[in-house]
Amino acid sequence: GENVEQHPSTLSVQEGDSAVIKCTYSDSASNYFPWYKQELGKGPQLIIDIRSNVGEKKDQRIAVTLNKTAKHFSLHITETQPEDSAVYFCAATFNNAGNMLTFGGGTRLMVKP
Amino acid sequence: GAVVSQHPSWVICKSGTSVKIECRSLDFQATTMFWYRQFPKQSLMLMATSNEGSKATYEQGVEKDKFLINHASLTLSTLTVTSAHPEDSSFYICSVGGGGWGRPDEQFFGPGTRLTVL
Repeated sequence: GENVEQHPSTLSVQEGDSAVIKCTYSDSASNYFPWYKQELGKGPQLIIDIRSNVGEKKDQRIAVTLNKTAKHFSLHITETQPEDSAVYFCAATFNNAGNMLTFGGGTRLMVKP
Repeated sequence: GAVVSQHPSWVICKSGTSVKIECRSLDFQATTMFWYRQFPKQSLMLMATSNEGSKATYEQGVEKDKFLINHASLTLSTLTVTSAHPEDSSFYICSVGGGGWGRPDEQFFGPGTRLTVL
């Protein structure tokens, strides 16, 4: 089955700095890679996703890059703000698995004002 | 994306009792719903896939007789934790998928239900 590893587990940055979270996946057939933000006591919220036919996608301060050859993808947050503090999860899925998501272990991002 | 609700948002019960958690898709008909469990400071672990009108598919290690799933309509799936024990205390989260909006691999999550078993 699919295995997704996420690093770092915790990340502390100063407000205004950039934050980068990296994930690797094991199944080369994976073709959909979403990122979720989870605030304390809440469900995960989809913030950005990328598909295997695209190398990079950007939405305002958030961007995701995908390297299919190396089987890794990264989340980039620029100009971080205190409200970006949360736990971020990457995930991967492939159609043959019934569209099931396999999640990374999560990254606790702390943005210090 | 889809709007998903869960009820209750939190529940405390005594050991040995059963608890039902509801997951509703509010703005579209969900053929597929997923149930996850999340322990403190851990990632989400898929428990089962729930398909409307058919039996749920459980992940390895998840007891189907303990975690009963019913997906009787396109907007409602329920998870019943039977004979709950303290080790069942966790955050239970559902999601909807199936691509009613044309993207079958996307999932949108509910707000979660915090279960505490005393």
